[in-house]
Amino acid sequence: QVQLVQSGAEVKKPGASVKVSCKASGYTFTSYGISWVRQAPGQGLEWMGWISAYNGNTNYAQKLQGRVTMTTDTSTSTAYMELRSLRSDDTAVYYCARVAQGLELLPLRYWGQGTLVTVSS
Amino acid sequence: QSALTQPASVSGSPGQSITISCTGTSSDVGSYNLVSWYQQHPGKAPKLMIYEVSKRPSGVSNRFSGSKSGNTASLTISGLQAEDEADYYCCSYAGSSTPVVFGGGTKLTVL
Repeated sequence: QVQLVQSGAEVKKPGASVKVSCKASGYTFTSYGISWVRQAPGQGLEWMGWISAYNGNTNYAQKLQGRVTMTTDTSTSTAYMELRSLRSDDTAVYYCARVAQGLELLPLRYWGQGTLVTVSS
Repeated sequence: QSALTQPASVSGSPGQSITISCTGTSSDVGSYNLVSWYQQHPGKAPKLMIYEVSKRPSGVSNRFSGSKSGNTASLTISGLQAEDEADYYCCSYAGSSTPVVFGGGTKLTVL
Protein backbone atom coordinates (compact mmCIF):
# COMPACT_ATOMS: atom_id res chain seq x y z
CA GLN A 1 0.00 0.00 0.00
CA VAL A 2 1.13 3.54 -0.70
CA GLN A 3 2.63 5.23 2.35
CA LEU A 4 4.18 8.65 2.83
CA VAL A 5 6.00 9.08 6.13
CA GLN A 6 7.20 12.54 7.06
CA SER A 7 9.91 13.74 9.42
CA GLY A 8 9.16 15.01 12.89
CA ALA A 9 8.16 18.40 14.24
CA GLU A 10 10.59 21.31 14.04
CA VAL A 11 11.02 24.55 15.95
CA LYS A 12 12.93 27.28 14.14
CA LYS A 13 13.84 30.90 14.76
CA PRO A 14 12.82 33.65 12.32
CA GLY A 15 15.24 33.88 9.43
CA ALA A 16 16.30 30.23 9.68
CA SER A 17 15.62 27.40 7.22
CA VAL A 18 13.75 24.13 7.61
CA LYS A 19 13.93 20.94 5.56
CA VAL A 20 11.07 18.46 5.80
CA SER A 21 11.35 14.94 4.41
CA CYS A 22 8.72 12.61 3.00
CA LYS A 23 9.69 8.94 2.58
CA ALA A 24 7.56 7.04 0.08
CA SER A 25 6.89 3.33 -0.08
CA GLY A 26 4.50 0.90 -1.75
CA TYR A 27 4.94 2.18 -5.32
CA THR A 28 7.55 3.05 -7.93
CA PHE A 29 8.80 6.39 -6.65
CA THR A 30 9.96 7.77 -9.99
CA SER A 31 6.60 7.23 -11.67
CA TYR A 32 4.84 9.98 -9.72
CA GLY A 33 5.13 13.56 -8.59
CA ILE A 34 4.97 14.79 -5.01
CA SER A 35 3.14 17.93 -3.98
CA TRP A 36 3.58 19.92 -0.78
CA VAL A 37 0.62 21.56 0.95
CA ARG A 38 0.68 23.54 4.19
CA GLN A 39 -1.95 24.52 6.73
CA ALA A 40 -1.46 27.33 9.24
CA PRO A 41 -3.13 26.84 12.63
CA GLY A 42 -6.91 27.11 12.25
CA GLN A 43 -6.56 28.02 8.59
CA GLY A 44 -7.15 26.37 5.22
CA LEU A 45 -4.95 24.41 2.87
CA GLU A 46 -2.31 26.14 0.75
CA TRP A 47 -0.57 24.47 -2.19
CA MET A 48 3.17 25.13 -2.11
CA GLY A 49 4.46 23.32 -5.14
CA TRP A 50 5.20 20.04 -6.89
CA ILE A 51 8.20 18.04 -7.95
CA SER A 52 8.48 15.26 -10.47
CA ALA A 53 10.28 12.29 -8.97
CA TYR A 54 10.98 11.19 -12.55
CA ASN A 55 13.21 14.08 -13.62
CA GLY A 56 13.23 16.62 -10.79
CA ASN A 57 11.14 19.22 -12.61
CA THR A 58 9.46 21.59 -10.20
CA ASN A 59 6.49 23.95 -10.15
CA TYR A 60 6.27 26.35 -7.20
CA ALA A 61 3.49 28.60 -5.96
CA GLN A 62 4.26 32.14 -7.04
CA LYS A 63 4.20 33.55 -3.50
CA LEU A 64 6.93 31.13 -2.36
CA GLN A 65 9.22 31.48 -5.39
CA GLY A 66 12.76 32.17 -4.20
CA ARG A 67 12.20 30.81 -0.68
CA VAL A 68 11.25 27.20 -1.35
CA THR A 69 13.20 24.34 -2.90
CA MET A 70 11.84 20.85 -3.51
CA THR A 71 14.13 17.93 -4.22
CA THR A 72 14.05 14.17 -4.34
CA ASP A 73 16.47 11.36 -3.58
CA THR A 74 15.49 8.44 -5.78
CA SER A 75 17.94 6.11 -4.03
CA THR A 76 15.89 6.35 -0.84
CA SER A 77 12.47 7.23 -2.37
CA THR A 78 12.41 10.41 -0.35
CA ALA A 79 11.15 13.87 -1.24
CA TYR A 80 12.33 17.01 0.54
CA MET A 81 10.91 20.49 0.96
CA GLU A 82 13.22 23.28 2.17
CA LEU A 83 11.82 26.66 3.16
CA ARG A 84 14.25 29.52 3.84
CA SER A 85 14.04 32.91 5.56
CA LEU A 86 11.32 31.63 7.86
CA ARG A 87 8.78 34.06 9.29
CA SER A 88 6.19 33.61 11.99
CA ASP A 89 3.45 33.20 9.38
CA ASP A 90 5.25 30.11 8.05
CA THR A 91 4.16 28.31 11.22
CA ALA A 92 2.02 25.50 9.87
CA VAL A 93 1.57 21.79 9.39
CA TYR A 94 3.33 20.80 6.18
CA TYR A 95 1.98 17.84 4.19
CA CYS A 96 3.44 15.91 1.30
CA ALA A 97 0.95 14.27 -1.06
CA ARG A 98 1.04 12.03 -4.11
CA VAL A 99 -1.30 12.29 -7.03
CA ALA A 100 -3.55 9.47 -8.12
CA GLN A 101 -1.88 8.98 -11.48
CA GLY A 102 1.53 9.62 -12.98
CA LEU A 103 3.11 13.04 -13.11
CA GLU A 104 -0.07 15.11 -12.91
CA LEU A 105 -0.65 17.83 -10.34
CA LEU A 106 -4.11 16.67 -9.26
CA PRO A 107 -5.87 14.97 -7.56
CA LEU A 108 -3.94 14.48 -4.32
CA ARG A 109 -4.78 10.87 -3.51
CA TYR A 110 -2.26 9.90 -0.82
CA TRP A 111 -1.09 12.13 2.01
CA GLY A 112 1.66 12.07 4.60
CA GLN A 113 0.83 12.47 8.26
CA GLY A 114 1.99 16.09 8.35
CA THR A 115 4.94 17.86 9.98
CA LEU A 116 4.42 20.78 12.35
CA VAL A 117 6.91 23.58 11.79
CA THR A 118 6.85 26.29 14.44
CA VAL A 119 8.67 29.56 13.82
CA SER A 120 9.25 31.47 17.02
CA SER A 121 11.93 33.62 18.57
CA GLN B 1 -7.85 35.38 0.94
CA SER B 2 -8.32 32.03 -0.77
CA ALA B 3 -8.53 31.72 -4.52
CA LEU B 4 -11.78 29.71 -4.38
CA THR B 5 -14.74 30.84 -2.29
CA GLN B 6 -16.60 28.44 -0.01
CA PRO B 7 -19.17 29.10 2.73
CA ALA B 8 -17.52 29.09 6.13
CA SER B 9 -20.01 26.65 7.57
CA VAL B 10 -22.99 24.46 6.73
CA SER B 11 -25.06 22.20 8.89
CA GLY B 12 -27.63 19.47 8.58
CA SER B 13 -29.39 16.78 10.55
CA PRO B 14 -28.66 13.07 10.23
CA GLY B 15 -30.26 11.65 7.11
CA GLN B 16 -30.56 15.00 5.38
CA SER B 17 -28.61 16.22 2.36
CA ILE B 18 -26.34 19.23 2.21
CA THR B 19 -24.49 20.98 -0.59
CA ILE B 20 -21.25 22.94 -0.32
CA SER B 21 -20.46 25.41 -3.07
CA CYS B 22 -17.06 26.40 -4.38
CA THR B 23 -16.90 29.49 -6.55
CA GLY B 24 -13.89 30.27 -8.69
CA THR B 25 -13.34 32.07 -11.95
CA SER B 26 -13.11 31.38 -15.65
CA SER B 27 -9.36 30.86 -15.10
CA ASP B 28 -9.73 27.91 -12.77
CA VAL B 29 -13.02 26.12 -12.00
CA GLY B 30 -14.67 27.41 -15.16
CA SER B 31 -11.89 26.29 -17.48
CA TYR B 32 -10.93 22.85 -16.23
CA ASN B 33 -12.75 19.71 -15.13
CA LEU B 34 -10.04 19.24 -12.51
CA VAL B 35 -11.99 20.10 -9.37
CA SER B 36 -11.41 17.88 -6.37
CA TRP B 37 -12.83 17.81 -2.86
CA TYR B 38 -11.08 16.86 0.38
CA GLN B 39 -12.45 15.92 3.79
CA GLN B 40 -10.38 16.73 6.86
CA HIS B 41 -11.13 15.64 10.40
CA PRO B 42 -9.44 17.55 13.24
CA GLY B 43 -5.77 16.71 13.57
CA LYS B 44 -5.82 14.45 10.52
CA ALA B 45 -4.51 14.69 6.98
CA PRO B 46 -6.99 15.56 4.23
CA LYS B 47 -8.73 12.72 2.39
CA LEU B 48 -9.68 12.80 -1.28
CA MET B 49 -13.46 12.46 -1.68
CA ILE B 50 -14.17 13.62 -5.25
CA TYR B 51 -11.89 14.23 -8.24
CA GLU B 52 -12.36 15.51 -11.78
CA VAL B 53 -15.59 17.22 -10.66
CA SER B 54 -17.69 14.13 -10.05
CA LYS B 55 -15.57 10.97 -9.79
CA ARG B 56 -15.25 9.05 -6.54
CA PRO B 57 -12.06 7.22 -5.54
CA SER B 58 -12.48 3.62 -4.53
CA GLY B 59 -13.60 3.32 -0.95
CA VAL B 60 -15.50 6.62 -0.81
CA SER B 61 -19.21 6.29 -0.08
CA ASN B 62 -21.64 6.98 -2.92
CA ARG B 63 -23.37 9.40 -0.56
CA PHE B 64 -20.75 11.88 -1.76
CA SER B 65 -21.25 13.42 -5.20
CA GLY B 66 -19.86 16.37 -7.12
CA SER B 67 -20.96 18.64 -9.93
CA LYS B 68 -20.02 21.85 -11.68
CA SER B 69 -21.83 24.64 -13.43
CA GLY B 70 -19.87 27.49 -14.93
CA ASN B 71 -17.40 28.84 -12.37
CA THR B 72 -19.03 27.06 -9.42
CA ALA B 73 -18.46 23.51 -8.26
CA SER B 74 -20.55 21.76 -5.65
CA LEU B 75 -20.18 18.86 -3.26
CA THR B 76 -23.37 17.14 -2.11
CA ILE B 77 -23.52 14.75 0.81
CA SER B 78 -26.72 12.77 1.10
CA GLY B 79 -27.94 10.74 4.07
CA LEU B 80 -25.80 12.76 6.48
CA GLN B 81 -24.04 10.76 9.17
CA ALA B 82 -22.29 11.89 12.32
CA GLU B 83 -18.94 10.79 10.87
CA ASP B 84 -19.36 13.28 8.00
CA GLU B 85 -18.77 16.14 10.43
CA ALA B 86 -15.47 17.60 9.24
CA ASP B 87 -13.91 20.41 7.21
CA TYR B 88 -14.27 20.19 3.44
CA TYR B 89 -11.98 21.85 0.91
CA CYS B 90 -12.41 22.27 -2.80
CA CYS B 91 -9.42 22.46 -5.09
CA SER B 92 -8.93 23.30 -8.75
CA TYR B 93 -6.28 23.38 -11.40
CA ALA B 94 -5.67 27.01 -12.34
CA GLY B 95 -3.24 26.95 -15.23
CA SER B 96 0.07 28.78 -15.04
CA SER B 97 1.69 30.84 -12.23
CA THR B 98 0.16 29.04 -9.24
CA PRO B 99 -1.48 26.03 -10.91
CA VAL B 100 -3.29 24.56 -7.91
CA VAL B 101 -5.66 26.57 -5.73
CA PHE B 102 -7.76 25.62 -2.72
CA GLY B 103 -10.93 27.02 -1.27
CA GLY B 104 -10.95 28.43 2.23
CA GLY B 105 -12.77 25.40 3.61
CA THR B 106 -16.25 24.71 4.93
CA LYS B 107 -16.99 23.34 8.37
CA LEU B 108 -19.81 20.81 8.25
CA THR B 109 -21.74 20.33 11.46
CA VAL B 110 -24.10 17.36 11.80
CA LEU B 111 -26.75 18.48 14.26
